[in-house]
Amino acid sequence: KQEVTQIPAALSVPEGENLVLNCSFTDSAIYNLQWFRQDPGKGLTSLLLIQSSQREQTSGRLNASLDKSSGRSTLYIAASQPGDSATYLCAVRSNAGNMLTFGGGTRLMVKP
Amino acid sequence: KAGVTQTPRYLIKTRGQQVTLSCSPISGHRSVSWYQQTPGQGLQFLFEYFSETQRNKGNFPGRFSGRQFSNSRSEMNVSTLELGDSALYLCASTGQGTAGELFFGEGSRLTVL
Repeated sequence: KQEVTQIPAALSVPEGENLVLNCSFTDSAIYNLQWFRQDPGKGLTSLLLIQSSQREQTSGRLNASLDKSSGRSTLYIAASQPGDSATYLCAVRSNAGNMLTFGGGTRLMVKP
Repeated sequence: KAGVTQTPRYLIKTRGQQVTLSCSPISGHRSVSWYQQTPGQGLQFLFEYFSETQRNKGNFPGRFSGRQFSNSRSEMNVSTLELGDSALYLCASTGQGTAGELFFGEGSRLTVL
């Protein structure tokens, strides 16, 4: 059974800081991994999708990496802004079906 | 292109009642999946439908059911509501050309009193 863990559970940083969010999974036989952002009371916004054959994906100030062999992914946020404050979730898709296993999320607060 | 649309956004029910939630996927997407989000359990997979057939099912009791129509719209139903069913119910869709990326709606917030 796939298990996904995110560390830290909460993070508070000053504006402008670069930061790294961590995600680990127990079964390396994954199909893809997706990072999401969730604002309070809202749905999930897809940030980045990494296929199992890829090592990283970039979108603007965001960079996600994937190391299947060690069961880890990181989300790097450059030059953080107060608008980045949200909960960040990673989710792993383990087979050809569309079932995602989610981590518990990292709640990020960027202080002005 | 419109996103995933979920209705209703908020609803309040009492224990023992039943509820039906609706999800309209992004146009052209044929796969719809449902998730339950609670503070204690986080996000958990309920079920997935593709071309009107349930393809995967999570570990939830039979009170939770769903269906998908020929236009890919999906509904989920929860019967005999319990206090613990209070949650944000999220629907996601995906389809060809998305490389497997899932797109979520804003969710339906269910409160059971």
